[in-house]
Amino acid sequence: AQSVTQLDSQVPVFEEAPVELRCNYSSSVSVYLFWYVQYPNQGLQLLLKYLSGSTLVKGINGFEAEFNKSQTSFHLRKPSVHISDTAEYFCAVFRMDSSYKLIFGSGTRLLVRP
Amino acid sequence: GAGVSQSPRYKVAKRGQDVALRCDPISGHVSLFWYQQALGQGPEFLTYFQNEAQLDKSGLPSDRFFAERPEGSVSTLKIQRTQQEDSAVYLCASTPLTRKGTEAFFGQGTRLTVV
Repeated sequence: AQSVTQLDSQVPVFEEAPVELRCNYSSSVSVYLFWYVQYPNQGLQLLLKYLSGSTLVKGINGFEAEFNKSQTSFHLRKPSVHISDTAEYFCAVFRMDSSYKLIFGSGTRLLVRP
Repeated sequence: GAGVSQSPRYKVAKRGQDVALRCDPISGHVSLFWYQQALGQGPEFLTYFQNEAQLDKSGLPSDRFFAERPEGSVSTLKIQRTQQEDSAVYLCASTPLTRKGTEAFFGQGTRLTVV
């Protein structure tokens, strides 16, 4: 079995402060890792993904994430957030065996305050 | 079109009613997925198509749920005899390739409320 755990359901932060959204996964096979963002009443948009290579991945809107195989984590970070970053963020994994489906975490709501 | 289009955006159904949700993927995209997103939860996989072939329907919660993509483009998710627990946002996504790790493009979803 596999699962994706997002430890924080909501993260409040002040504008221009740094933020880290945590994601841990469990899987018996290798995985690809993704972060998606969902703005209110919108579909999901890909922020970044890790397939292979460098464990530090840079994405859109100044976000980055680091894959840590030993800790089975893929935390999302941004050094300085904006009001416009307020949204729901989802971590997701793809199994490397037969399935094509994305397994999502329950999401973390990032609330940026002025 | 420019993106994945889903219709209707909102649907209210009386319990026991049948509903049909439509997804227009990005033109030329081979793969199409349906996900169900309950309130406050992450999306959960329902089914996957490669062209017109439904390769995985392991996520469909019951035999009341049925999906089709007869010509390998537009897809319809049908729910028969809707129940309150079917209330959720139904998301459609498409990818241009079948290779894993390819970015999935999501539609805005259809919010289904069963009363």
